[in-house]
Amino acid sequence: KQEVTQIPAALSVPEGENLVLNCSFTDSAIYNLQWFRQDPGKGLTSLLLIQSSQREQTSGRLNASLDKSSGRSTLYIAASQPGDSATYLCAVEDSNYQLIWGAGTKLIIKP
Amino acid sequence: NAGVMQNPRHLVRRRGQEARLRCSPMKGHSHVYWYRQLPEEGLKFMVYLQKENIIDESGMPKERFSAEFPKEGPSILRIQQVVRGDSAAYFCASSPSRGPTSYEQYFGPGTRLTVT
Repeated sequence: KQEVTQIPAALSVPEGENLVLNCSFTDSAIYNLQWFRQDPGKGLTSLLLIQSSQREQTSGRLNASLDKSSGRSTLYIAASQPGDSATYLCAVEDSNYQLIWGAGTKLIIKP
Repeated sequence: NAGVMQNPRHLVRRRGQEARLRCSPMKGHSHVYWYRQLPEEGLKFMVYLQKENIIDESGMPKERFSAEFPKEGPSILRIQQVVRGDSAAYFCASSPSRGPTSYEQYFGPGTRLTVT
């Protein structure tokens, strides 16, 4: 059974720092891995999707990597800003086309 | 091209009432997925539907919950005789197709159900 774990559960850093969020999964048989952002009481914003055959994707200050063999992904945020404060969710699409979700990392960027 | 639409955005029901949540997929998408996010918990898969067919309902509670995606109109997630534990955010996603190739699931804004 696929399980997704996100570490850390919460992170607070000063504005301007580069940071890394971690996601691990137990079964490497995935179609893709996706990173989302969720603001309190709001919906989901898709940030990056990495297909199983890809190693990384980049969008602006965000870079996500995927190492399928080791069951790991990282989300790198460069030059963090207070507006980046949110909960970041990692999800893998398994062989049944279900998205299996991590519990999220709550990120606070201090001005 | 409008995104995935869900309505209502907020729904309040008393215990024992029925809740109907609607999801209109993106134009051209024939696959719909429902996920539930309980307070302070992660999202969990509920059901995967294609037009007029339920493909996978392994995440649906066995009682009181049902889903449909008719040939015409939106997908409906129906919860009968709601209880306080049904209070959650319900998210719908859609994708254009399925197969050996991976397709991104696009999410709606969610419906927040509160049972009083």
